[in-house]
Amino acid sequence: NAGVTQTPKFRVLKTGQSMTLLCAQDMNHEYMYWYRQDPGMGLRLIHYSVGEGTTAKGEVPDGYNVSRLKKQNFLLGLESAAPSQTSVYFCASSYSSFHNQPQHFGDGTRLSIL
Amino acid sequence: GQQVMQIPQYQHVQEGEDFTTYCNSSTTLSNIQWYKQRPGGHPVFLIQLVKSGEVKKQKRLTFQFGEAKKNSSLHITATQTTDVGTYFCAGPRNAGGTSYGKLTFGQGTILTVHP
Repeated sequence: NAGVTQTPKFRVLKTGQSMTLLCAQDMNHEYMYWYRQDPGMGLRLIHYSVGEGTTAKGEVPDGYNVSRLKKQNFLLGLESAAPSQTSVYFCASSYSSFHNQPQHFGDGTRLSIL
Repeated sequence: GQQVMQIPQYQHVQEGEDFTTYCNSSTTLSNIQWYKQRPGGHPVFLIQLVKSGEVKKQKRLTFQFGEAKKNSSLHITATQTTDVGTYFCAGPRNAGGTSYGKLTFGQGTILTVHP
């Protein structure tokens, strides 16, 4: 039982390049989330999904796109990377419930944009 | 919009000293969660508090939820080097409707413990 797996773990991009971060969970969770973590700013929600085929914007969605074609996978895309997107990206998942459930996080992707 | 503030931002203690971090929300929370992130690691869920005035303990960690459900605290008794990390509180991001599990995280308190 791997939990939440993120790939890649590290990446360096040049400004203007594109890439996709992959998140996979094996807990059959309905809800999935993408966060970015910057020093002194906690975790900020980029996009989230409440089920297969659905996505929605979070707190800081600009410059990112997401897709959830399969329930277990949630992809985060950067179409034209900018230095301001240098960050640590975390994917998380949780059960769906009226009340909040614990979120389970992946190990993160450390992304640098030059 | 909803804000969750945590203080202090940093705390340095000697091993064996106590530690407390405080979390304050701009809105009433239906529940609050606490997470711990070790250096270089990912956030790990610690606990969830739901009831007004609730107090829960996990070994040396004591979690409290305020009577007005707008604040919370985490207290660690007799810190150990294994307690090092960043502690986050998080409340539901409701915006008047269902939160779909979305959370608003505080900025976190970074705890260092000197042996």
